Amino acid sequence: QVQLVQSGAEVKKPGASVKVSCKASGYTFTSYDINWVRQAPGQGLEWMAYMTPSSGNTGYAQKFQGRVTVTRSTSIGTAYMELSSLTSEDTAVYYCSRGDFWGQGTLVTVSS
Amino acid sequence: DIVMTQTPLSLSVTPGQPASISCKSSQSLRHSDGKTFLYWYLQRPGQSPQLLIYEVSNRFSGVPDRFSGSGSGTDFTLKISRVEAEDVGVYYCMQSIETPWAFGQGTKVEIK
Repeated sequence: QVQLVQSGAEVKKPGASVKVSCKASGYTFTSYDINWVRQAPGQGLEWMAYMTPSSGNTGYAQKFQGRVTVTRSTSIGTAYMELSSLTSEDTAVYYCSRGDFWGQGTLVTVSS
Repeated sequence: DIVMTQTPLSLSVTPGQPASISCKSSQSLRHSDGKTFLYWYLQRPGQSPQLLIYEVSNRFSGVPDRFSGSGSGTDFTLKISRVEAEDVGVYYCMQSIETPWAFGQGTKVEIK
């Protein structure tokens, strides 16, 4: 069965960076785009970025341009999202998604 | 960017009664290939979003037939024919015809 398994919760200080992983299984990793979506506490869903694993093509929301980078390792079927220059407003659950299937989410807490 | 607007933002429903959620997009979601890129998700408390409906009216695998989607162009509706206790959560519409993906604000469904 299709699964997207994300890395565990992170606590970061303001100004730091965080890198979240998303390991895909149950399907051919290079056949579907991976998107990254975040959800701040008590808020709605916000799209951040996508990657096409077969080509490495990426796209980013204007809001995160210059701060977010999505990469992948096709050999291990894993996608990554790195967000830099963290502030308290980046405290959120970060999800990877194929559209039809979603990871379990990774809580990133930014606190001094 | 496309803006998605959902109404109502909250709904309290008696079990066994129907429910309906509206979603309007700021521009047409119909692609030149004939597909319309409108999706509906349910996010139960503490869980990742799960896909209910794809491309306006297609139920995803395992989704009960009490859920149905309709609409075209810029106006869409999710209907639950008979609400059950397990249907509580927040429902989101989403467009993926172009990046950035955009989500509606969410409609919180509660049971009376």
